Parts: sequence; C-alpha cells; structure tokens
Amino acid sequence: ETGVTQTPRHLVMGMTNKKSLKCEQHLGHNAMYWYKQSAKKPLELMFVYNFKEQTENNSVPSRFSPECPNSSHLFLHLHTLQPEDSALYLCASTAGSGGASGDEQFFGPGTRLTVL
Amino acid sequence: SQKIEQNSEALNIQEGKTATLTCNYTNYSPAYLQWYRQDPGRGPVFLLLIRENEKEKRKERLKVTFDTTLKQSLFHITASQPADSATYLCATHTGTASKLTFGTGTRLQVTL
Repeated sequence: ETGVTQTPRHLVMGMTNKKSLKCEQHLGHNAMYWYKQSAKKPLELMFVYNFKEQTENNSVPSRFSPECPNSSHLFLHLHTLQPEDSALYLCASTAGSGGASGDEQFFGPGTRLTVL
Repeated sequence: SQKIEQNSEALNIQEGKTATLTCNYTNYSPAYLQWYRQDPGRGPVFLLLIRENEKEKRKERLKVTFDTTLKQSLFHITASQPADSATYLCATHTGTASKLTFGTGTRLQVTL
C-alpha cells in the first residue's frame, strides 16, 4: 500500500451504533488530519495530530472521538451520530506540521458515511 | 479568520481552450495559496503552491498567479482536455499552525 489509505470506503450506520473509521499513512509523515466534507460546503478541519499529540480540535462534537496510537495510524470513533453527520470523511497527512509552512496535504480516498 | 471564496458555479469550456478559475481571500494576505484537484468520491490531490512573494508559478499546462492587491489567485489550465474535468480547490492557512482553510471548490467541465 502506498500513500494514505482509509477503511471502510463506505459506511451506513444507525444513530445508536458505534463504529470506527481507520486511516493509515505509508509516507513517514508526522502530522495527520481528519476533515469532514459535506455537499456544497468547504472541507472542514476536525482534528490535527502532530507526533501522536492532538494539536487541534475544531470544536467538534464529542460524538466524534479521535485516536492516534502512532504517527502512521489515525482513528475516528463514532457514536450516537445524527443524520446531519452524513458526509465524506477524509484523512490527510503532512510531512511537517502543515499550516504556516505550506506542506502539501496528502489525502486518503475518504469514507462515505451515511447515518440513518 | 481567513475565508476563501471560489465561484461555486460550474465552469464549462471547450477542449483546447484555457480554463481560468478564481480564488479570493477576504482577510490578511496569506503566506501562500495551494491548489488541489478533487475527482468525485476521491480525496483532493495537491497540484501547486504559490507564495506571497511569487507572482506566478507554472507546472506543465498549469499556471497559478497571486495578486495581493486584488486578494486573489487565478488558476489556469491551458490546452484543456476532458481529463481535466474535476473540482479544483483553493486553500491557505488560517494563521495558526496546522490549520488549512479550503474554498468550496469550482467544478470544471471540459467538453469535446
């Protein structure tokens, strides 16, 4: 596997379910990100991890819980979601801390989430 | 905070013509602007970065300009091809470390 991979690619869940999204980067990068992409809206940054430490939480509801066990893996644990949480969830990584340094973001293919 | 604005209407052009997409920012002049391409159901792919001290950057058929007076970046694809059809996103940092702000993207459709 190369680049950034995400599993599953599609997920349908009920509002009472608990599920997890997985992201893995094979690039040796130090920072990883979760984004939410809804139709007609810009990409919304959710969380940022640098060297396994969370450095950004963009006021995300607690029903989304990230986990970064090491620099290569990132999880997003989901529970009691709402239908409006249906979206494409994208994982990305950068070599450095991104932001002001201008590092390009490498994105995974995304997980298409539908909450019924 | 910084806001990125892109024309949300689709841009339809004929094969062989030059496509020009616009990205406007509303607040302070950012240190750089990035451009990404996104195909349906896929993650964005980085194309180009232009810094505020650069007027123009080129890569093959792609050209990006940065005008700090107009608070605008233009993205050009010359000799466009149907394979260039995609959504193009503009992005920059918000001023705080790690945070990248994206525009809504402009969908480009190149027809034969």
